[in-house]
Amino acid sequence: EADIYQTPRYLVIGTGKKITLECSQTMGHDKMYWYQQDPGMELHLIHYSYGVNSTEKGDLSSESTVSRIRTEHFPLTLESARPSHTSQYLCASSVGPYTEAFFGQGTRLTVV
Amino acid sequence: AQSVTQPDIHITVSEGASLELRCNYSYGATPYLFWYVQSPGQGLQLLLKYFSGDTLVQGIKGFEAEFKRSQSSFNLRKPSVHWSDAAEYFCAVQVPNAGGTSYGKLTFGQGTILTVHP
Repeated sequence: EADIYQTPRYLVIGTGKKITLECSQTMGHDKMYWYQQDPGMELHLIHYSYGVNSTEKGDLSSESTVSRIRTEHFPLTLESARPSHTSQYLCASSVGPYTEAFFGQGTRLTVV
Repeated sequence: AQSVTQPDIHITVSEGASLELRCNYSYGATPYLFWYVQSPGQGLQLLLKYFSGDTLVQGIKGFEAEFKRSQSSFNLRKPSVHWSDAAEYFCAVQVPNAGGTSYGKLTFGQGTILTVHP
């Protein structure tokens, strides 16, 4: 079973608030990813990291930012939440290329 | 850019019936192929993967998938569906970048929701 954890699982927050979605993995994986998933839609990559101090933007433009100060931790931050940010955010990690990604359970964010 | 198509948004089957979920991809070469399952409120769990070799791959929970290069397809099958298989299923591809290595990015299809009737 994969050891990748996301907190919180559910979050309802008001417009304009700053939020951080946490993602941690205990597998020592170098590569980590954030995907955004709207209901009934496919997942879109919004951020990824090759390793410590490496972050890149994904295919889908996002106002969120990420950091990778430690191998096991890959938090995602929204400086000022808006209703358009309402979505499910899934964190994943992989040991390297040509291997499968392991996913966390996701954070369902609702901005009111 | 690569793309993944799952033509069936929603499929309903009776328990015990066979199942086939379709997946087609668009890419110039053979990508790495995956099927994931997502239960309500949960993350994604890997069912199976294809990198090379035998085009019929076996996965967990009795699922299998067949890679057909000529059709650019990677359809998921199960001979006898159980009520616990009700979930959403995602096909995904991973392609190497121009340098020949992959940073592990997955491109997903839209997903197929499976409903199982008793």
